[in-house]
Amino acid sequence: DAGVTQSPTHLIKTRGQQVTLRCSPKSGHDTVSWYQQALGQGPQFIFQYYEEEERQRGNFPDRFSGHQFPNYSSELNVNALLLGDSALYLCASSSTSGTWNEQFFGPGTRLTVL
Amino acid sequence: GIQVEQSPPDLILQEGANSTLRCNFSDSVNNLQWFHQNPWGQLINLFYIPSGTKQNGRLSATTVATERYSLLYISSSQTTDSGVYFCAVEGANDYKLSFGAGTTVTVRA
Repeated sequence: DAGVTQSPTHLIKTRGQQVTLRCSPKSGHDTVSWYQQALGQGPQFIFQYYEEEERQRGNFPDRFSGHQFPNYSSELNVNALLLGDSALYLCASSSTSGTWNEQFFGPGTRLTVL
Repeated sequence: GIQVEQSPPDLILQEGANSTLRCNFSDSVNNLQWFHQNPWGQLINLFYIPSGTKQNGRLSATTVATERYSLLYISSSQTTDSGVYFCAVEGANDYKLSFGAGTTVTVRA
């Protein structure tokens, strides 16, 4: 049973560029959430997708956008990259069926903006 | 939004020692999870525990939802227990997890 997968593992971009990160949820999961983790801090919620719609959004600018596909996989897009966008980006998946809404995390994509 | 405070921020243990990590939260929660983040950044699920007590090997956790806190116990610590431990909660009107700042545990041989 594959867990949550993310690609790429590492990415280096320059200021002003755009980036797309990808996530495949755990088998049987239908909900995907994205988090940003800066060095030395806890993860911060960016947004959550369910039924191909953004269900909840954290305090992130519109430069951060996402998409969920019919197979439940998801993309995170960041436009006009800033130095401060350098962070570990984590994807989490969960299931709306059943009573448990436990979230499981992927290994993350480490983004460096130069 | 819901506030999550973890204590202590840092913990240094000798191998074989026991320890308790605490998580306080400011409002009612639907979900509380404890994670261990390894040096490569992977968040490993330890417990899903919105209330009650659970045990898994040398680790156990207790959440007292009415008093808005959770405790993670590590017994007979090993060097592989080193890393950052996060508590994360989902508020009653939320879908997101709100994380604490973490407790950095260092276990020395």
